Amino acid sequence: DTGVSQDPRHKITKRGQNVTFRCDPISEHNRLYWYRQTLGQGPEFLTYFQNEAQLEKSRLLSDRFSAERPKGSFSTLEIQRTEQGDSAMYLCASSPFISDGLYNSPLHFGNGTRLTVT
Amino acid sequence: TQLLEQSPQFLSIQEGENLTVYCNSSSVFSSLQWYRQEPGEGPVLLVTVVTGGEVKKLKRLTFQFGDARKDSSLHITAAQPGDTGLYLCAGSTDSWGKLQFGAGTQVVVTP
Repeated sequence: DTGVSQDPRHKITKRGQNVTFRCDPISEHNRLYWYRQTLGQGPEFLTYFQNEAQLEKSRLLSDRFSAERPKGSFSTLEIQRTEQGDSAMYLCASSPFISDGLYNSPLHFGNGTRLTVT
Repeated sequence: TQLLEQSPQFLSIQEGENLTVYCNSSSVFSSLQWYRQEPGEGPVLLVTVVTGGEVKKLKRLTFQFGDARKDSSLHITAAQPGDTGLYLCAGSTDSWGKLQFGAGTQVVVTP
């Protein structure tokens, strides 16, 4: 079973450095989501894609964050000039999107990339 | 402001006891999903509720969707240590199906 894969699992970086995370979704899934989660809290929506199109980016997200899904398969999330407040778990999820208006498709999550900014 | 409010934030009980977790909103959802997350892992789907008033059972877990499709509850009967985890509800209100999560309820079941 090839689930959602995220790389790296852990990243420690110094403040001001740039970091990039990769997510490989389940191959037949056309939806891909990025969430950020801090300890004991629920995932906070960052952005999502349908195929290669970025549908929405959270208004809470600064311009230092950018995400791409160039060929509608894997996705990258880049954070420029990292700050200590960026320390969190970054979760990627994928799902099949069926345009029946019910939005029942479950999200399949990876195990996340834990970012620590020192 | 959280679209989905979960309560309580934290629940600690003894093995064998029952517990209920709530997920509330002022918005109407076409469906709600419940996930459980364990430390160091991503959330895993437990159930999706779709119809107002719907009740679904998954072994000792009972999920209910409110008649107005604005709220949901999760009831665990005779909790076991393996039920320990962060329980999250998620739903979408927009036309694109973007899923948003509640803050979660941390459940700890001690032997």
